Amino acid sequence: AQSVTQLGSHVSVSEGALVLLRCNYSSSVPPYLFWYVQYPNQGLQLLLKYTTGATLVKGINGFEAEFKKSETSFHLTKPSAHMSDAAEYFCAAHGSGNTGKLIFGQGTTLQVKP
Amino acid sequence: KAGVTQTPRYLIKTRGQQVTLSCSPISGHRSVSWYQQTPGQGLQFLFEYFSETQRNKGNFPGRFSGRQFSNSRSEMNVSTLELGDSALYLCASSLAGTDNQPQHFGDGTRLSIL
Repeated sequence: AQSVTQLGSHVSVSEGALVLLRCNYSSSVPPYLFWYVQYPNQGLQLLLKYTTGATLVKGINGFEAEFKKSETSFHLTKPSAHMSDAAEYFCAAHGSGNTGKLIFGQGTTLQVKP
Repeated sequence: KAGVTQTPRYLIKTRGQQVTLSCSPISGHRSVSWYQQTPGQGLQFLFEYFSETQRNKGNFPGRFSGRQFSNSRSEMNVSTLELGDSALYLCASSLAGTDNQPQHFGDGTRLSIL
């Protein structure tokens, strides 16, 4: 079955520290991958996407992610955490075909300590 | 360009009632997908509509239904509400729902069942 797995439901970092949120996908999932962020009482905002081409993808707010096919991973990083980065982050993959279906990981809550 | 608009933002219903949620996609987007978000199950795909046709459906009972109008606006209906239907319902739109197109989300409708 198609699946996306996020390692760690809760990650805590200090302000200014590196942010690393892990995401692995099942090899049966097409390599169209996305990271979304959700702030309290809001919907999901697209951070970045990988479809084809360069495997290092840059997104908004200083985030980037690297697609590694050999490791079936798409980890999200940011060199220096800011207090405003505290939110829940979701990794997602598109289902097969033109289905309009995203398969989400379980989500990772990022806490940023002052 | 206006984003995805969902109405209402909050709803309180009692068991056995039915409810209709509305979603207006980004102008020009023809694919609308619906998701249910709960703390226990995370984000789960309900269904997707494209050009007024349901193109894909998730694993939800028949009490959950939807439709799409000629202007791409979509409605979702839940009949005979159960306590377990309490959730945040998110709508997302994309140009055509293809694999490489990101989905853009509304802020959701929070449904509470008493």
